[in-house]
Amino acid sequence: QKEVEQNSGPLSVPEGAIASLNCTYSDRVSQSFFWYRQYSGKSPELIMSIYSNGDKEDGRFTAQLNKASQYVSLLIRDSQPSDSATYLCAVNNFGNEKLTFGTGTRLTIIP
Amino acid sequence: GAVVSQHPSRVICKSGTSVKIECRSLDFQATTMFWYRQFPKKSLMLMATSNEGSKATYEQGVEKDKFLINHASLTLSTLTVTSAHPEDSSFYICSATPASGPYNEQFFGPGTRLTVL
Repeated sequence: QKEVEQNSGPLSVPEGAIASLNCTYSDRVSQSFFWYRQYSGKSPELIMSIYSNGDKEDGRFTAQLNKASQYVSLLIRDSQPSDSATYLCAVNNFGNEKLTFGTGTRLTIIP
Repeated sequence: GAVVSQHPSRVICKSGTSVKIECRSLDFQATTMFWYRQFPKKSLMLMATSNEGSKATYEQGVEKDKFLINHASLTLSTLTVTSAHPEDSSFYICSATPASGPYNEQFFGPGTRLTVL
């Protein structure tokens, strides 16, 4: 079983709609959760981090964490063509400096 | 804040030569820096973890004699690809974790695209 799982997509969403990206993780002691956006040919960019259960909002982005169910999600409201990218979920476990990445979900916003 | 730079952004070299890539945290001190490589349309692959003043920890399957890592200060780490061959051609990306942050978030540099002829 993979430690961090994401649907590889591609996920196609019309412009202006809400894009919903999901991620599940297997290690219950995971404590920090991150969403990175990676455009083709570029390096990952940190867009959201979340550490406590519940929702965290930043502009058009909302991260949701449910530790009991071991999932973290990212909602993108009012999707724009510039949001088209691969979104990587990453998890950090207690006592470990490294991040465990999912394989990423490719998102395409259709104008 | 939390800016990481890499130099060079792109390098083309002949087979058998060595290439050095620099990674700098510009506005924070980094306790830990990481080196990744990524092949086209593939996932990030962690190569090694480096801490200032100590030897790097390499992931299984990564040749430490081929990929030399030096973490000279809290803002600078270098990766040297020794005796590069065409199969070493890849996108190399570093990341850094701020010393002041409690949650081990990583900020990535823009990457270095290495082509070995």
